Amino acid sequence: NAGVTQTPKFRILKIGQSMTLQCTQDMNHNYMYWYRQDPGMGLKLIYYSVGAGITDKGEVPNGYNVSRSTTEDFPLRLELAAPSQTSVYFCASKTSGVMAKNIQYFGAGTRLSVL
Amino acid sequence: DAKTTQPTSMDCAEGRAANLPCNHSTISGNEYVYWYRQIHSQGPQYIIHGLKNNETNEMASLIITEDRKSSTLILPHATLRDTAVYYCIVRERDDKIIFGKGTRLHILP
Repeated sequence: NAGVTQTPKFRILKIGQSMTLQCTQDMNHNYMYWYRQDPGMGLKLIYYSVGAGITDKGEVPNGYNVSRSTTEDFPLRLELAAPSQTSVYFCASKTSGVMAKNIQYFGAGTRLSVL
Repeated sequence: DAKTTQPTSMDCAEGRAANLPCNHSTISGNEYVYWYRQIHSQGPQYIIHGLKNNETNEMASLIITEDRKSSTLILPHATLRDTAVYYCIVRERDDKIIFGKGTRLHILP
């Protein structure tokens, strides 16, 4: 069981470039999340999804877009990269329901530098 | 904003119990206390959670005060691999996680 898989692990972008951070999970979880973590800080929620076709903004959505066409995949898109988006990005997923413990499972992260 | 207050950092000797406090004085009746930890450069990892009663699993114990305004995470026999940032989070079952800055736990050899 792979869990939550993020690609790439590292990336350097130039200002104004675009890229997509990939996230896939094989646990059939309906909820998925994207967080960013700046040095020495806690994680901040960017976007989340409660199921295929449904997404919503978190605390810091500006400069990002997401889509959720399948249960497994939740890509994060940066259209015009800025230095302020230099961060570590984490994807997470969880199941829900009356009997679920509501535990989020996290990927290993993508380290992004915008220069 | 996070609904919890945690010390910025703590030290614990290897082999001793690590007791990490968390204040959540505004917790509501529907909100659970969750603990996650983040070992350097890795994604956060779930440890334990509880509503009212004390809880124990293979990783840790969670002690919640009777008024639910504070809790303590206990790692019974800390090892060097327990060095991490520990996050105490208060949330309803299906609610989003709001991370604070957590407690940086140093296990000393």
